[in-house]
Amino acid sequence: GEQVEQLPSILRVQEGSSASINCSYEDSASNYFPWYKQEPGENPKLIIDIRSNMERKQIQELIVLLDKKAKRFSLHITDTQPGDSAMYFCAASGTGNTGKLIFGLGTTLQVQP
Amino acid sequence: DPKIIQKPKYLVAVTGSEKILICEQYLGHNAMYWYRQSAKKPLEFMFSYSYQKLMDNQTASSRFQPQSSKKNHLDLQITALKPDDSATYFCASSQERVYAEQFFGPGTRLTVL
Repeated sequence: GEQVEQLPSILRVQEGSSASINCSYEDSASNYFPWYKQEPGENPKLIIDIRSNMERKQIQELIVLLDKKAKRFSLHITDTQPGDSAMYFCAASGTGNTGKLIFGLGTTLQVQP
Repeated sequence: DPKIIQKPKYLVAVTGSEKILICEQYLGHNAMYWYRQSAKKPLEFMFSYSYQKLMDNQTASSRFQPQSSKKNHLDLQITALKPDDSATYFCASSQERVYAEQFFGPGTRLTVL
């Protein structure tokens, strides 16, 4: 299978706290895991990605963790701000290195002031 | 300047008609893709092209035909349109197929009546 499960579907946090989104994938051949942020009416934009040869990657307040054995990866946003409110999608590369990305169903993050 | 151009931004069509969605990228990328986003399936991979060759096709219907006349063009022809085809269609591109950030265009919002 090539599905990507993403949870939770909705996440509400207080400004300044942390937010975590979890994804799991089925295909053990997946080797690239990007995260996209999408604001209403806009296109998805890459915020951070991780390759299968890494377990952790951080860009400023964004941390991505990858557990290949468990086929799980997660996004952690520290010190959330109202501007972080958006839809977030995780994705995993498909088999065959065709460039196909399989996306999760998305998480709506709401950061409350 | 927009690096990925999609035309038109909005498109209304009648059931049974045929439309062409245009995509041009000026990022110098070698790989291009089509994704579809609807309420039912948030981000669904359709096609990938690399150096103008079809690499992957995940659409079940032959009504969807990609057309690549130039390296930086990947249009999408949809025939015999159905109301279920209503969605936002995103074109994306990346430098290479593997481990490469995919940049999404602004999208074409298609409504089939």
